Amino acid sequence: GIQVEQSPPDLILQEGANSTLRCNFSDSVNNLQWFHQNPWGQLINLFYIPSGTKQNGRLSATTVATERYSLLYISSSQTTDSGVYFCAVISGGSNYKLTFGKGTLLTVNP
Amino acid sequence: DGGITQSPKYLFRKEGQNVTLSCEQNLNHDAMYWYRQDPGQGLRLIYYSQIVNDFQKGDIAEGYSVSREKKESFPLTVTSAQKNPTAFYLCASSSRNRAEAFFGQGTRLTVV
Repeated sequence: GIQVEQSPPDLILQEGANSTLRCNFSDSVNNLQWFHQNPWGQLINLFYIPSGTKQNGRLSATTVATERYSLLYISSSQTTDSGVYFCAVISGGSNYKLTFGKGTLLTVNP
Repeated sequence: DGGITQSPKYLFRKEGQNVTLSCEQNLNHDAMYWYRQDPGQGLRLIYYSQIVNDFQKGDIAEGYSVSREKKESFPLTVTSAQKNPTAFYLCASSSRNRAEAFFGQGTRLTVV
């Protein structure tokens, strides 16, 4: 099946810093999503982005499907941005099987 | 409110007992999913269903069973055959036309 690799596994920032999280995938995809898992465990949808670029406030994402990677940018980070960020994909050969990467644990210190 | 409801939020069971986790959605989504998350780990797919009365095994289906008798509901049974059932279980759903998935709040299962 499709492989999803996220980097870095851990990231520590000072408040106000910018960061880039990366998601590499091993096959063509029909769907790519970025999620933020909050301290209570709930997965919050950030972006649905199988291709192209989207922005939502301080967050933006870019997926280059032909090169099989996606990037999540966080600007002017805040302590509330802390948590785990997951990338998940549905491969082109499987309509509905949503496969997750292992996540990036982000810690933003005041 | 529209969304995905998982219940209960916390569940305790004795070893050797089967337990069923509930997942209901009112988003009119065709596809539903169950994932397991262990502390500090990512999400692993247990089962998924693309349509009523049909479901497929995910990557770690052993020791689990599901049913999909109604579009809105996708209950997960953790059987006594599951060797390490203590975990956080997450249910999700997505539409047929736009495959963006949305998650419930999860159920924390502890088996003692």
